[in-house]
Amino acid sequence: AQRVTQPEKLLSVFKGAPVELKCNYSYSGSPELFWYVQYSRQRLQLLLRHISRESIKGFTADLNKGETSFHLKKPFAQEEDSAMYYCALSSVSASKIIFGSGTRLSIRP
Amino acid sequence: EPEVTQTPSHQVTQMGQEVILRCVPISNHLYFYWYRQILGQKVEFLVSFYNNEISEKSEIFDDQFSVERPDGSNFTLKIRSTKLEDSAMYFCASSEGVNQPQHFGDGTRLSIL
Repeated sequence: AQRVTQPEKLLSVFKGAPVELKCNYSYSGSPELFWYVQYSRQRLQLLLRHISRESIKGFTADLNKGETSFHLKKPFAQEEDSAMYYCALSSVSASKIIFGSGTRLSIRP
Repeated sequence: EPEVTQTPSHQVTQMGQEVILRCVPISNHLYFYWYRQILGQKVEFLVSFYNNEISEKSEIFDDQFSVERPDGSNFTLKIRSTKLEDSAMYFCASSEGVNQPQHFGDGTRLSIL
């Protein structure tokens, strides 16, 4: 079964502290992995995807096929990082995106 | 930057009534999608649409649901006879291609009374 698991509903860290949002997936095949972010009162938007291997707003995520994980990391959290973060996957051939349940990241000043 | 736009932002409808949710995808995009999010739950895929036909749909997308691209700009989701459990946030998205990033609208909050 295709599934994305985000074990933390809420993650609260102090400004300047490292952040790691966990994501594990279950998929038979080679999925494409994404992180989407939804800031307060804004739309869902793509943060990064594993194939581009970019760092966006200081965030990175490495696909670990052995552990079937795609954790999102940032070395130093900023207050503007407070948002809802969704890990998601799709297959190369299919169009649908399967979302995790989301983690609310709260950065304390 | 071009955006996906959805109307209305909030729709309140009596159970059993038909409802049409509207979306204007980004103009050069070819693939269109509907997702929904029931309060407190995951964002769930409903349907994808390409070249004027459904390319993929989920189990949720039963005979009560239909999609249409009535003209060159709009993409609509119709629920024929709404049920209480249809209450959710409905998101439209579009992409240039099947493996390209999907751009989401702000969503329509559908409340069934």
